[in-house]
Formats: sequence, structure tokens, C-alpha cells
Amino acid sequence: NAGVTQTPKFQVLKTGQSMTLQCAQDMNHNSMYWYRQDPGMGLRLIYYSASEGTTDKGEVPNGYNVSRLNKREFSLRLESAAPSQTSVYFCASRGQQNQPQHFGDGTRLSIL
Amino acid sequence: EDQVTQSPEALRLQEGESSSLNCSYTVSGLRGLFWYRQDPGKGPEFLFTLYSAGEEKEKERLKATLTKKESFLHITAPKPEDSATYLCAVHPRGANNLFFGTGTRLTVIP
Repeated sequence: NAGVTQTPKFQVLKTGQSMTLQCAQDMNHNSMYWYRQDPGMGLRLIYYSASEGTTDKGEVPNGYNVSRLNKREFSLRLESAAPSQTSVYFCASRGQQNQPQHFGDGTRLSIL
Repeated sequence: EDQVTQSPEALRLQEGESSSLNCSYTVSGLRGLFWYRQDPGKGPEFLFTLYSAGEEKEKERLKATLTKKESFLHITAPKPEDSATYLCAVHPRGANNLFFGTGTRLTVIP
């Protein structure tokens, strides 16, 4: 059972470069989420998609864009990477309301 | 403002030494409280959901409890493989997302 798959697992970028992080889930979940995790700050929501065709901003959306390509896939794009975006990025999905979110294993992104 | 605070930040236990982790929360109505386990280099793994004060859930050596202001994760006779970071998250009413605490890093020494 794959669950939530994120690619790539690691990436190093230079300031100003662009990049798209990919996420796919095979659980037929409606909702998908992008978080970043930084030391001492916990997981913070960047964007989410409550259902196919909709996206909404979370707590820290500046510098990011998202695309809900279809029910399975939800991508996160950095248009012009900045060192402050160095972080570990997690994608999650959820089925019905009040069911838990299921997470991928993250993308570790360093921006020099 | 919705807020989640976990304590302690880090906890070292001898194998077999039981203890509890705390998650205090302030939300405008609680829809659910979630506990996750996170191993180094991995994503959070779901453990429990609690919906109302007085509810308890158990899984192996772990037991989660909920009151109106906090939740506890009790670890009974822990083993080294229980070493991980434990995350607490709340789902407020009217919100589509979770708010996470910063976690408790548990180390169990053989």
C-alpha cells in the first residue's frame, strides 16, 4: 500500500530558482494538504485542497502556489526560491471529515 | 486564537519506566484531537483520534486520554522502539485543517 507518495525526497536549489514538489495519494481521499516543518515550530499549513478543483491558503502561503491536478495529485510550486524556504515539506491527505490525515515521508529542501 | 502546547519538549526514560506526555490546547470548539508518532526522516504516523472529554483510546503500550483543556499520552513500560517524536494536533470546529504542537521527543534507553 503506497498511501501518500512525495517526490523528490531531497533537493538543493539556488536562490531564485523554481521548483515543483509532487504529491500523489492512492486512497481516494478528497482533501489534500501541504505543510512545512521547521525546528521548534511544528507543522505549519501552507495550502490545502478540500476537494478536487478547489484550493485555499493556510497559515504560511506566501512564496508558494499549488495545483490540484486531479483527485490523486496535489503539487506545490516555489516560483523564486528563498533561503527562508529551506525546510522539510510534507503532503497529507484525508477522507471524510474527522478522519485522520495521512502523511507522506517528506521532501527535504535546501536553498542556498 | 487556536493554540496547541506540548510538554515536555524532550523526555528520556529507562526501558520499563512509565510516563505521560501532555498536550494542552485552546480552541474555539474542538472537533477532534489527534496523536501522531514521527520517526526521524519519516512523515507523521497516525496513532489516535479523540473526540470528546472523558474518551480514552489504547494501542499496545500507549493510552490517550482527553479532557476539556488537555490530552495525555500515557506510555506504560516503554521499550527502545517507542523512541520517536510524538505530535498532538487539534481540529477546531469550522476549520478544514489541523493545528499541530511542536512535539515531545521521547528517548527510551535500554
